[in-house]
Amino acid sequence: DIQMTQSPSSLSASVGDRVTLTCRASQSISSYLNWYQQTPGKAPKLLIYATSSLQSGVPSRFTGSGSGTDFTLTISSLQPEDFATYFCQQGYGTRAFGQGTKVEI
Amino acid sequence: QVQLQESGPGLVKPSETLSLTCTVSGDSFSTSYWSWIRQPPGKGLEWLGYVYYTGSTNYNPSLKSRVTMSVDTSKNQFSLKLSSVTAADTAVYYCAREGRSGSYAYFDYWGQGTLVTVSS
Repeated sequence: DIQMTQSPSSLSASVGDRVTLTCRASQSISSYLNWYQQTPGKAPKLLIYATSSLQSGVPSRFTGSGSGTDFTLTISSLQPEDFATYFCQQGYGTRAFGQGTKVEI
Repeated sequence: QVQLQESGPGLVKPSETLSLTCTVSGDSFSTSYWSWIRQPPGKGLEWLGYVYYTGSTNYNPSLKSRVTMSVDTSKNQFSLKLSSVTAADTAVYYCAREGRSGSYAYFDYWGQGTLVTVSS
């Protein structure tokens, strides 16, 4: 099975900061990588699919990049509503999620 | 717009079978793949598998021996059964739609989740 590893597991940031989260696959998954945002008590919300395609309604400050085994999610200017946990997910074969990165103040 | 709602018992005894149903509203039931995903308290997400409206399934190999998924197209519902549960199966269970764009798949609509506790 393909394992997904996210780093860091948590980070502290401030409103307005540029933040970059990393996700690494244990083998190549081409561009089959999605990103989700989860706030406490809520279901995850799809942000980006196919590595870099922005889901409808998601602000353009979220961008995704990468290919093969290494991927990043960048938030260009952190907003108060962006403090949350972010999960990557591979859609290549058996679906699997990373363990999450918690973005906190 | 697609909406999903999980239903089922919130408490299951060890060794018994966990049963959940997801009711879907919207017009995509017969064209979509429907998944179950769970999240133990304070932990990450685990995909359990999906069922297509035809009834074909794809399960996570780690749980394949205990998982059964089915659909009822007349009610726009799909279901999960997980047998021989233990405390390790305590989690929030989500149902979700797996959207597709070409060969790419992603979970674009989710239910609110339902907490299932395994305890005697």
